Amino acid sequence: AQSVSQHNHHVILSEAASLELGCNYSYGGTVNLFWYVQYPGQHLQLLLKYFSGDPLVKGIKGFEAEFIKSKFSFNLRKPSVQWSDTAEYFCAVNAWGGSYIPTFGRGTSLIVHP
Amino acid sequence: NAGVTQTPKFQVLKTGQSMTLQCAQDMNHEYMSWYRQDPGMGLRLIHYSVGAGITDQGEVPNGYNVSRSTTEDFPLRLLSAAPSQTSVYFCASTTGSGNDSPLHFGNGTRLTVT
Repeated sequence: AQSVSQHNHHVILSEAASLELGCNYSYGGTVNLFWYVQYPGQHLQLLLKYFSGDPLVKGIKGFEAEFIKSKFSFNLRKPSVQWSDTAEYFCAVNAWGGSYIPTFGRGTSLIVHP
Repeated sequence: NAGVTQTPKFQVLKTGQSMTLQCAQDMNHEYMSWYRQDPGMGLRLIHYSVGAGITDQGEVPNGYNVSRSTTEDFPLRLLSAAPSQTSVYFCASTTGSGNDSPLHFGNGTRLTVT
């Protein structure tokens, strides 16, 4: 079974700072990787996903993530955060040939000060 | 498109009471799942279904029952509520057409058990 680790539980930044949230997974086979975002009081929504091809994936709102297979990592990045990026961010992994039900990390709470 | 609809949005129960959280989707998705979200714990899978008539347990199934009589509906039943079940519950669905298919989440049900 796969597992996901998000090492940053709480991150506080000022607007215009750069962001990198770590995500590592544990699974020996081929995976699909996702980042979801949950804005305050809302449900989770997809930010970006990787399934094959270019390991650098671009998502909505200027976010991107890089899949590094050798490191089992899928870190989320944004060059310049905004106050509206305040949210909780979840990394998720789904093994190929699995149940289509992904495993989630514990989440990272991001607060951006204006 | 309504997407994934959860009812109720809020519920307060007394210990020992039972109730059903409703979840319906209108996207003809085969896969549906229930998660609970607790601070610092991320999303934990309670039960999931890969199609009508088929359900399986997730990570934290104790105290919960599910059934899937139709493709559209996936209710979650609390048999005898306990304070430990105080949480935010999310229902999600996905097509299952590929492992890269993202989850579509409902808006959540905030449950308090006193």
